[in-house]
Amino acid sequence: SQQGEEDPQALSIQEGENATMNCSYKTSINNLQWYRQNSGRGLVHLILIRSNEREKHSGRLRVTLDTSKKSSSLLITASRAADTASYFCATDPTSNSGNTGKLIFGQGTTLQVKP
Amino acid sequence: DAGVTQSPTHLIKTRGQHVTLRCSPISGHKSVSWYQQVLGQGPQFIFQYYEKEERGRGNFPDRFSARQFPNYSSELNVNALLLGDSALYLCASSFAQQETQYFGPGTRLLVL
Repeated sequence: SQQGEEDPQALSIQEGENATMNCSYKTSINNLQWYRQNSGRGLVHLILIRSNEREKHSGRLRVTLDTSKKSSSLLITASRAADTASYFCATDPTSNSGNTGKLIFGQGTTLQVKP
Repeated sequence: DAGVTQSPTHLIKTRGQHVTLRCSPISGHKSVSWYQQVLGQGPQFIFQYYEKEERGRGNFPDRFSARQFPNYSSELNVNALLLGDSALYLCASSFAQQETQYFGPGTRLLVL
C-alpha cells in the first residue's frame, strides 16, 4: 500500500520560479528520501533526511521534515527546464520486527518547468 | 564507479510464461531491493535481500521470487505471467539496509 502522498499531483511553473512539493506519510519512519524520475526511466536519488533531522540542503534543493505532522517538503529554487520530471517521496518505515530498509513510495508529483 | 545495472532493458512475454530479471548492485553494496512500477504510479516494494538473505517481502503473490548470489547480484523471477505484470521493474542497491538506495535503469516488461 502507498504510504506517501504527494501534493500537488501536478505542478507547472516558469523557468526561474521556485517549486514546492509536499509529502505526507502515515507511520513512524527511519528516514525519508526524495527521488526524481524522467520519462519512466530509473529513479535518481536527490536527498535522504533522517527522522532526527529537520532540514537538509543540496544545491538548489531544500528538504524539510516534520515528524510530528508526518510530512516533508521538497523545494527546488530557481527551476530550470531540465528539472521537468516526476518527483517521489519514499519513506523507510520502522517495523515491529526491526528495520527492514524497504521504501514505500507515494504516487509522485509531476513537475513541468516551461522555458 | 558503475551504477546499478539491470538486464534486459526491455522484454516482451506472453501470458503464462516465466521471466528472469537480473541486477548487479554498486560495488560494495550488500543490499538489493526490487520494486514494480506500473504506469502512472509510484514503485511498489517486492523484495529486499541483504547478505544473501530475504529481509523483506511486499504484498506480491508467490509467483514472484528472488534470490541474491554470493557476489551480491540478484535475480527476480516471475512465473505464470499475467497481463497485469506488465510494468517497469526496478532494482536498487544500498550499502546497508537503512542507507540511501540507488536505482538502476529498470527492465520494462510487457506481457501480451
